[in-house]
Amino acid sequence: AQKITQTQPGMFVQEKEAVTLDCTYDTSDPSYGLFWYKQPSSGEMIFLIYQGSYDQQNATEGRYSLNFQKARKSANLVISASQLGDSAMYFCAMREGGNTDKLIFGTGTRLQVFP
Amino acid sequence: DAGVTQSPTHLIKTRGQQVTLRCSPKSGHDTVSWYQQALGQGPQFIFQYYEEEERQRGNFPDRFSGHQFPNYSSELNVNALLLGDSALYLCASSLRGRSLQETQYFGPGTRLLVL
Repeated sequence: AQKITQTQPGMFVQEKEAVTLDCTYDTSDPSYGLFWYKQPSSGEMIFLIYQGSYDQQNATEGRYSLNFQKARKSANLVISASQLGDSAMYFCAMREGGNTDKLIFGTGTRLQVFP
Repeated sequence: DAGVTQSPTHLIKTRGQQVTLRCSPKSGHDTVSWYQQALGQGPQFIFQYYEEEERQRGNFPDRFSGHQFPNYSSELNVNALLLGDSALYLCASSLRGRSLQETQYFGPGTRLLVL
């Protein structure tokens, strides 16, 4: 069954440093998409970055990049030059190919950025 | 460009009551998905509406029902509320398509407390 695992309940990083948030996934479908969302304390899920299973290159969006290792079934989010405003919950999610639109989410990682 | 909106922001109900939550999708989107996020967990898919019909459903009982209107807005109804229904209910909108990259954009959520 499809599953997303985020093993880091919480992470700390100093401002301006880089941080990696881990995500592993399990699926038997060769076609899938991986998403990262940020959830501040306000509750809204904010889309950050997407990686497709057939994409040859790792996705990048500004300070966010995705370290995609298909053989290991991992899709770690790298945030460079952390800012205080990056403090939030971060969720990894997967959408499988075929006739489905639902997202499967992990349990999230709480990132705290300190000065 | 208006994003996804949800109402109400907060709601308190007692066991056995019924509740209706509302969602307006992002401009240009035609598909609405609903998720339940219990405290400390990732969102869980409830169901998705497209062309005013329920297209896909997660592992939720029939007490959870929904509706989509011709203007693409949607309602989530929960009958016979249980204490375990207390959660953040998130609405996500997207544009129907077969691309895995089609991103779901989330609203701020409705926090439901069942006493």
